[in-house]
Amino acid sequence: EAGVVQSPRYKIIEKKQPVAFWCNPISGHNTLYWYRQNLGQGPELLIRYENEEAVDDSQLPKDRFSAERLKGVDSTLKIQPAELGDSAVYLCASSSVTFTDTQYFGPGTRLTVL
Amino acid sequence: GQQVMQIPQYQHVQEGEDFTTYCNSSTTLSNIQWYKQRPGGHPVFLIQLVKSGEVKKQKRLTFQFGEAKKNSSLHITATQTTDVGTYFCAADTGRRALTFGSGTRLQVQP
Repeated sequence: EAGVVQSPRYKIIEKKQPVAFWCNPISGHNTLYWYRQNLGQGPELLIRYENEEAVDDSQLPKDRFSAERLKGVDSTLKIQPAELGDSAVYLCASSSVTFTDTQYFGPGTRLTVL
Repeated sequence: GQQVMQIPQYQHVQEGEDFTTYCNSSTTLSNIQWYKQRPGGHPVFLIQLVKSGEVKKQKRLTFQFGEAKKNSSLHITATQTTDVGTYFCAADTGRRALTFGSGTRLQVQP
């Protein structure tokens, strides 16, 4: 069984540029999460989808971040414009039904904003 | 928002020594999960605890959930170099989402 797929693995951009990350969850998993992990910290939830619906986006900086999960399968997280403080690893995870189920993480995208 | 506090931040042990990390919350937790993240890797699920006072074992790893369901611990007996990584607890603090602790980084010297 394929795990959670993310691309790209690494991204280096200049500040004020846009950037997008893509995630394909494990087949059949209804719940998809985007986390941001700063160096030396635990993952911080940005947004959680149940199927196509964003059920928790309270930590998503909506002035510059957006996300979508069309058709309830893969998802895209976008930052526009990027700021220096956005440098982090962006992790996607999925779980079978709800947030108390085991979360399976993808390899992450390491973003560096110069 | 409510946080999940994890201690210590870092521990360096000699191979064969034991290791324990603690996770604490000021509120009652419905469940707690533990994850391991190897250097350069992504978090990998280890276990979930749900019941008050629950103890679960996985080979050399012992997980406990406190009686009041406000704290949890992970104990590794006789550490090996393969145990190197950061151990995170994660719990629902009322947001219906997991809040991760800041992690305990374990370094094992051969």
